[in-house]
Amino acid sequence: QVQLVESGGGVVQPGRSLRLSCAASGFTFSTSAMYWVRQAPGKGLEWVAFIPYDGTNRYYADSVKGRFTISRENSQNTLFLQMNSLRAEDTAVYYCARDRLGVVADMDVWGRGTTVTVSS
Amino acid sequence: EIVLTQSPATLSLSPGERATLSCRASQSVRNYLAWYQQKPGQAPRLLIYDASNRATGIPPRFSGSGSGTDFTLTISSLEPEDFAVYYCQQRYNWPPLTFGEGTKVEIK
Repeated sequence: QVQLVESGGGVVQPGRSLRLSCAASGFTFSTSAMYWVRQAPGKGLEWVAFIPYDGTNRYYADSVKGRFTISRENSQNTLFLQMNSLRAEDTAVYYCARDRLGVVADMDVWGRGTTVTVSS
Repeated sequence: EIVLTQSPATLSLSPGERATLSCRASQSVRNYLAWYQQKPGQAPRLLIYDASNRATGIPPRFSGSGSGTDFTLTISSLEPEDFAVYYCQQRYNWPPLTFGEGTKVEIK
């Protein structure tokens, strides 16, 4: 079945780095645009980053620009989020999601999320 | 940045009642608006895309309407599994993609 499974979350000190992964299965990952979306504890949804199917023209929320990098390895059906210079306000559940259309649209498949906690 | 304002913040209703949720955009998003449902401890689920189209597998009691700046999600008769938080999201003017703050539909 169509599935996204995130991994790589954990507890990290402020200023450190973490790399999240999202393994895709059940659909053609190499033709799918993808997102990272996060949700701070008790808060709403926040779009973090977008990457098209071929990895070009990536976009980021201002809150993470210059610190986070979205990437993908189509041969491995995997999406990544490299998070550097982490701050307390980056604490959240991080979801990967598939774009419904293959361009910027809405998100029709979601993973269950991985929790990132930034704390000293 | 387009700001989406959802109202009410909380809606207290009984099973079988009709739920009407609002999402207002700070500027026109044409019909490029989606609705998601999120239950505690779960990922969001796409309900409606392009303002009025139900996503795959979504029951017909869920309907969306509106265009421009004012949108509505209607649940015609609440089932027990419909008590959740609902978010709207626009894709017309990006980046950034933006979400509303959510409406919680709770059991009265």
